[in-house]
Amino acid sequence: GESVGLHLPTLSVQEGDNSIINCAYSNSASDYFIWYKQESGKGPQFIIDIRSNMDKRQGQRVTVLLNKTVKHLSLQIAATQPGDSAVYFCAERGAGNTGKLIFGQGTTLQVKP
Amino acid sequence: KAGVTQTPRYLIKTRGQQVTLSCSPISGHRSVSWYQQTPGQGLQFLFEYFSETQRNKGNFPGRFSGRQFSNSRSEMNVSTLELGDSALYLCASSLAGNYNSPLHFGNGTRLTVT
Repeated sequence: GESVGLHLPTLSVQEGDNSIINCAYSNSASDYFIWYKQESGKGPQFIIDIRSNMDKRQGQRVTVLLNKTVKHLSLQIAATQPGDSAVYFCAERGAGNTGKLIFGQGTTLQVKP
Repeated sequence: KAGVTQTPRYLIKTRGQQVTLSCSPISGHRSVSWYQQTPGQGLQFLFEYFSETQRNKGNFPGRFSGRQFSNSRSEMNVSTLELGDSALYLCASSLAGNYNSPLHFGNGTRLTVT
């Protein structure tokens, strides 16, 4: 069935280093992808999105890369800060679906001071 | 602009009871979706409403239902609660008509079934 999987369940980085969180998706028909950050006790917070007609998109300290050939998505966080510690989810949306997202299992990012 | 608001934040119910959760979307957002989050299954799509009509539905039993009002506010109902229904229920809203608009989530309602 459809699935979005994350390669690493926990990522531990030093403050100030760059972080890379990876995600594999299985539905080649998906044409829109989103990264969310979820802190304890809160709902998922939108970070950045990318359409399938793009390879790269940058935001403030974050970059999302999309490789459709191998169905791989990554989130890069520059100069990781303690406030970046959270669980990160990738999500995909199939063509024709608006409110239905398929989420990965999540990666916990731990930032060491 | 205020975010997605969900009430109540916490609920404790007994098996067999029913529960209603409420969601107010971001102003101007006409699409509301509901998700269930559990440690074992992660985030799973329940259903989506737009213009008071269910537009999409996930793989959940008929005990899970929802509705949307003319002001875009939404409610979801779970009847005959089971222990396995204990979860964080998340509501998300998005701009309707804009396919590539992201979903914005509320902080959820934590439901515990005893």
